[in-house]
Amino acid sequence: AQSVSQHNHHVILSEAASLELGCNYSYGGTVNLFWYVQYPGQHLQLLLKYFSGDPLVKGIKGFEAEFIKSKFSFNLRKPSVQWSDTAEYFCAVNTRDDKIIFGKGTRLHILP
Amino acid sequence: DAGITQSPRHKVTETGTPVTLRCHQTENHRYMYWYRQDPGHGLRLIHYSYGVKDTDKGEVSDGYSVSRSKTEDFLLTLESATSSQTSVYFCAIRGGAGYYEQYFGPGTRLTVT
Repeated sequence: AQSVSQHNHHVILSEAASLELGCNYSYGGTVNLFWYVQYPGQHLQLLLKYFSGDPLVKGIKGFEAEFIKSKFSFNLRKPSVQWSDTAEYFCAVNTRDDKIIFGKGTRLHILP
Repeated sequence: DAGITQSPRHKVTETGTPVTLRCHQTENHRYMYWYRQDPGHGLRLIHYSYGVKDTDKGEVSDGYSVSRSKTEDFLLTLESATSSQTSVYFCAIRGGAGYYEQYFGPGTRLTVT
């Protein structure tokens, strides 16, 4: 069965620090990849997505992610985080069928 | 905003009572999903629908049923609520035009006492 693994459950950073959240998936075929963000008390919002083409994708709010097919990875990055980036981040994969598989999430806490 | 509403937004109910949650969308999407979100588990798919009267089970479907009699409404029913079903429930739709991303509703916080 397909699965998504997020390496860090909880990350604490200071403002202006660089961010990288790890995500690996297990599936050997064609995938669509996503990162979602959930701010406290809110629903999930799509941050960015990868379907094909350039493996470096840019999303909203200065986030980007790189798809490395050989490593089955789709890590999320941001060069300089802000306090407002405090949220939970979910990596997700779709294997071109009806469903999306979500990782368990990474809670990001930014210290002001 | 994907035009998704959920009702109720909050509900407290007693063990053994039936509960129905409603998801309503305004953009005629074919695919609709019900998830539950629990700490440490991320989002887990309960049921989904790929059209009117067409539904399928997800990974945590036991104790839940769904119905979709109209494109715009997808109902989730807990036949006899248990404390283990205390959770936040999210409805989602799948974006069209051949893409697979999903967009989520605001959620329903359900507490079973």
